[in-house]
Amino acid sequence: NAGVTQTPKFQVLKTGQSMTLQCAQDMNHNSMYWYRQDPGMGLRLIYYSASEGTTDKGEVPNGYNVSRLNKREFSLRLESAAPSQTSVYFCASTAGTSGRGETQYFGPGTRLLVL
Amino acid sequence: GNSVTQMEGPVTLSEEAFLTINCTYTATGYPSLFWYVQYPGEGLQLLLKATKADDKGSNKGFEATYRKETTSFHLEKGSVQVSDSAVYFCALFYNQGGKLIFGQGTELSVKP
Repeated sequence: NAGVTQTPKFQVLKTGQSMTLQCAQDMNHNSMYWYRQDPGMGLRLIYYSASEGTTDKGEVPNGYNVSRLNKREFSLRLESAAPSQTSVYFCASTAGTSGRGETQYFGPGTRLLVL
Repeated sequence: GNSVTQMEGPVTLSEEAFLTINCTYTATGYPSLFWYVQYPGEGLQLLLKATKADDKGSNKGFEATYRKETTSFHLEKGSVQVSDSAVYFCALFYNQGGKLIFGQGTELSVKP
């Protein structure tokens, strides 16, 4: 099993350009998440999908959109990139069957630089 | 609201030293508590967890006890190794909303 995979690993964008970050998991998990990691701020939730067909905003959704394409895939789109979106982006998934907080499995991250 | 506060890093220790990384939380109800570790260049991975008061989570020589009376979940290890150098994140999960809330992370550097 590959676990959670993310593409690309690294991307440089100019202000105003758009791009989509891809995430896939092969663990048959129900719930998937997108986080951003910035120095000194831990991880902040952008969007999440509790189950196939549903998406909800997290703590910092502005400037992003998501698509839960199917049970395996959850993409994050930046429509018009801004320098403030320079960050490391992590996708995560969890089985989503327990109410007590299950282990989240993280991808290796996408490092995004917006000039 | 719900939040997690960790001690600021970086923490620098010599090999075989005792480690404590403090974590306190604010939450309504009875959250589950987690420690995640991030090795250089990688994503986060679960280190240990505790789902109710007085539970002790342990893994790879690390331990943390869920203390409801002090709203704390401090991470400890008796003898650290160079390979423990990483960033450690404390997190809580609360049922309402079904989301993890992370602390800001504490960087640990262990010198030989």
